[in-house]
Parts: sequence; C-alpha cells; structure tokens
Amino acid sequence: AQRVTQPEKLLSVFKGAPVELKCNYSYSGSPELFWYVQYSRQRLQLLLRHISRESIKGFTADLNKGETSFHLKKPFAQEEDSAMYYCALLNTDKLIFGTGTRLQVFP
Amino acid sequence: EAGVAQSPRYKIIEKRQSVAFWCNPISGHATLYWYQQILGQGPKLLIQFQNNGVVDDSQLPKDRFSAERLKGVDSTLKIQPAKLEDSAVYLCASSLELAGYSTQYFGPGTRLTVL
Repeated sequence: AQRVTQPEKLLSVFKGAPVELKCNYSYSGSPELFWYVQYSRQRLQLLLRHISRESIKGFTADLNKGETSFHLKKPFAQEEDSAMYYCALLNTDKLIFGTGTRLQVFP
Repeated sequence: EAGVAQSPRYKIIEKRQSVAFWCNPISGHATLYWYQQILGQGPKLLIQFQNNGVVDDSQLPKDRFSAERLKGVDSTLKIQPAKLEDSAVYLCASSLELAGYSTQYFGPGTRLTVL
C-alpha cells in the first residue's frame, strides 16, 4: 500500500544548526514527492517538489529510491523556519500526506 | 490573486446534527479537493472534483458525507448526521488542472468540533 512515514513528531534545533526532516515512503512505481509547509496561522502551502530539483528558502530534498526516502534538509536553520512540515506522495493524481513534523527553531 | 475561500472558519455542533461547509476555489481552477485533517494527522483526501464531475470519492464516508460542485465552481461538503469522530479541520484545495503536477492551493480550513 502507498504510504508516507514521518517518524518525528517534533524536531527542535537552535538557530544556525543544520536541519533534516525525515520522510520515508512506500510506493510501487516511480514516485513523485512533495514537501508542504504550514506556518503558524497560515495556510498549508507547497514548499518544494522533487521533480523540480529546486531549493526553496534554503531547503532541499533529494529522492533516494534505494532507501525510499525524501528527507528535507537545510544547512542553517532560521527562526522563521519554525512550522509544520508535511511530506506527500502523489498516487494517481491524489496526494497522500504523512503525519507531519513540527520544526521548532530556537534563537 | 485571491486564494481559496472557505466558510465558516469554525463550527461547533452536537452529535447527530447536520453541518455544511462551503468552498470557493481560485478563479479558473478546474480541480477542487476536500480533505479531512484529524488532530495529529496529515490531510486525508475525501473527494476530488474535475469541473462539476467527481473524479475520486473512494475515501468519502458516503453514508453520512456528501459533496457537490453543481456549476463547476463553488462546492459544499455536508455531514449528516455528525459523529464525534468527525471532529477535524476540513480543508478545501484547488488546482488549475487535474494532472498531479498542478500545484494545489489550500484554503484556511473549517475547524469542526462535534460534542
């Protein structure tokens, strides 16, 4: 069955520290993966998608098919990165979301 | 451009009552989605429309939930009768087209509490 797993409910780091938000998936076929973010009192919004191979707000994510992972990384966290992050898998035009990881960046 | 609009933002009802949510997608967006997000979980797709037709409603509890998008623009989601486990945030999203690569834009959500 198609599934997205985010093993950490909460990740706390200090400003300037590296961040890695973990995402593992289960999918038969070639996966399309996304990271969505929800800042406090804001809407859920797309952060990045793997097919674009882009860096948004300093975040990158590399698809590792061998490890079935799509971890989100940033070398130096900022306080404004504090938010809920959801990994999502595209399955025949439907998005399957993980349970989310709350990132807290302390000053 | 104006974003996806939803109303009401909050709703408190007692179990066995009925409730309806409204969504206005971004102008020109053909595809509309309703998600249910229970506390501590990620959004789960309930139903997906392409214009005024249903593309996928496989996860919609059809004995109590219904949704329509009669003119291919606005949509309503109804729960009748509500159960305690329906307490959740109901998110509406829209995208330009059906293809999976079309970015989904989310509304602010409606927080439903069933007592």
